[in-house]
Amino acid sequence: SAVISQKPSRDICQRGTSLTIQCQVDSQVTMMFWYRQQPGQSLTLIATANQGSEATYESGFVIDKFPISRPNLTFSTLTVSNMSPEDSSIYLCSAQSTRTDTQYFGPGTRLTVL
Amino acid sequence: AQSVSQHNHHVILSEAASLELGCNYSYGGTVNLFWYVQYPGQHLQLLLKYFSGDPLVKGIKGFEAEFIKSKFSFNLRKPSVQWSDTAEYFCAVTGGGSYIPTFGRGTSLIVHP
Repeated sequence: SAVISQKPSRDICQRGTSLTIQCQVDSQVTMMFWYRQQPGQSLTLIATANQGSEATYESGFVIDKFPISRPNLTFSTLTVSNMSPEDSSIYLCSAQSTRTDTQYFGPGTRLTVL
Repeated sequence: AQSVSQHNHHVILSEAASLELGCNYSYGGTVNLFWYVQYPGQHLQLLLKYFSGDPLVKGIKGFEAEFIKSKFSFNLRKPSVQWSDTAEYFCAVTGGGSYIPTFGRGTSLIVHP
């Protein structure tokens, strides 16, 4: 299994600002993902972070709002840009060693936008 | 597109009661099935998974789940719950050529001591 850490664990931000969340995996993994989890709801996949190329975004999510980087096989960042209160949520990083493997999750970043 | 239904959104039980949480999925082909648990203030953890073989899968902390292909179901069970089982439980499925799991909405379980 992979151990995943995220920074920051939580933040309170002002409307219009941006926040970058970091995700570190303790081993090289093929796939990394970013999810959003809103209170009382399920996990919503934002995008797949691809190493060395642009992320693959799900419907309803765009690169200008959620730019993602993945410079190597163990690290990725998600930026929430030009934040509004509707962006308040928990953002989760996950990793999967292979296509048939289990997906493991980081502890999440709780974001509150005022 | 794949969909996952968890019919019980909120479940409240007393300690020692038996638990069964429902999970149904829509895809008819080969699937991999997962149950994740999220304890209060903690991150999502894998509870158990089914890839192939015995359809009755045993996981951590006394949980088990049964894959019934004809019913497209993967219900989670525990014969006797404890207060420490209070958590959010998510069912997830991969299949149909996608290796990215589709998650159910989650079931909030509260166990009273």
